[in-house]
Amino acid sequence: GQNIDQPTEMTATEGAIVQINCTYQTSGFNGLFWYQQHAGEAPTFLSYNVLDGLEEKGRFSSFLSRSKGYSYLLLKELQMKDSASYLCAVRDGDYKLSFGAGTTVTVRA
Amino acid sequence: ETGVTQTPRHLVMGMTNKKSLKCEQHLGHNAMYWYKQSAKKPLELMFVYNFKEQTENNSVPSRFSPECPNSSHLFLHLHTLQPEDSALYLCASSRGEEGAYEQYFGPGTRLTVT
Repeated sequence: GQNIDQPTEMTATEGAIVQINCTYQTSGFNGLFWYQQHAGEAPTFLSYNVLDGLEEKGRFSSFLSRSKGYSYLLLKELQMKDSASYLCAVRDGDYKLSFGAGTTVTVRA
Repeated sequence: ETGVTQTPRHLVMGMTNKKSLKCEQHLGHNAMYWYKQSAKKPLELMFVYNFKEQTENNSVPSRFSPECPNSSHLFLHLHTLQPEDSALYLCASSRGEEGAYEQYFGPGTRLTVT
């Protein structure tokens, strides 16, 4: 099976920056997704990386290194509403999408 | 609102009951998915349908039976479930199975098996 690892929990202060790492070992690679999931709600799409480098979208950025099997999601200028679970998902060589267990980010005032 | 609706939102059923979960997408997508989400565990892909054809059955027990009558509707029929099947069941859709197409998730059905 596929192996996707991310930290279980992270805590940061409002206005700060948090970096959520994701490492993966999959049979082939066809893209990496980040989703945000607030408690009791559906996951929502944040970003997609298929080539190495940084993708920036407002306060959120995602980075990919295919050779290292590594990605991170960077959340800048943290707001209370950013408290949520962040899911890393990798599409393997057969285009099957596998999810990590998620990182719960708690933003404190 | 993501354009994907699921009913019911909550379901409590006994182990001998038969029930069905319904998912509808209003996005014109061609692929639909069922996922199981248990506490502290990764989202588990159960089934994938692409253009109404099942393309993935991720070793799911036969007590879960999917049905996809058209590209907009997806059902999950449940019978003789076990308590360990209690979880959040999420439906998702995407434009296609491949490429950079992100998945849009419904709000989920919280299932409790007693």
